[in-house]
Amino acid sequence: DTEVTQTPKHLVMGMTNKKSLKCEQHMGHRAMYWYKQKAKKPPELMFVYSYEKLSINESVPSRFSPECPNSSLLNLHLHALQPEDSALYLCASSQLTSYNEQFFGPGTRLTVL
Amino acid sequence: GENVEQHPSTLSVQEGDSAVIKCTYSDSASNYFPWYKQELGKRPQLIIDIRSNVGEKKDQRIAVTLNKTAKHFSLHITETQPEDSAVYFCAASRNTGNQFYFGTGTSLTVIP
Repeated sequence: DTEVTQTPKHLVMGMTNKKSLKCEQHMGHRAMYWYKQKAKKPPELMFVYSYEKLSINESVPSRFSPECPNSSLLNLHLHALQPEDSALYLCASSQLTSYNEQFFGPGTRLTVL
Repeated sequence: GENVEQHPSTLSVQEGDSAVIKCTYSDSASNYFPWYKQELGKRPQLIIDIRSNVGEKKDQRIAVTLNKTAKHFSLHITETQPEDSAVYFCAASRNTGNQFYFGTGTSLTVIP
């Protein structure tokens, strides 16, 4: 299996809702990433997990809460989001050896009303 | 930290012509440079990458060149086709870290 999968594909939520995004990979990668992407902009790194431990948090607001239950799964818990948080949320994974290609999932298109 | 600049932001070419996209980086420790293609509504997909110990790499119609001294690298697409139309992102990273620094993207349109 050489794919990163994400669910759901689309999500519409209100500012008071709590929802979660899910990401899964079975390539044995020990690094997993969350990115936020606005239209025609580059992916913006949010979090990095290495060996299931949070290694990078790019000063992301606490309304975004990542979780890595095991080496294959990555979640992003959402609470009290703002309309400006509407974006494509991409998950990626990679090896932790040199020259690490990152494999991206298809993303979750999030709309906050 | 690393700063990656990418030019041009938009590029239109006639089908069959070549397209060149250029990136510069600031951190001399960066040594891995991937290029991603992202079609509308799709995920970024790696199309070619180059390591710092190599000056050029080619894969069919796509090639990447790297000038470590000048800290710039370029993507070359020859014999462009309409299906090459997409947004292209360059990136830079160190092999000791797992953080990618992306360029701002180039929207390529190939006119049939």
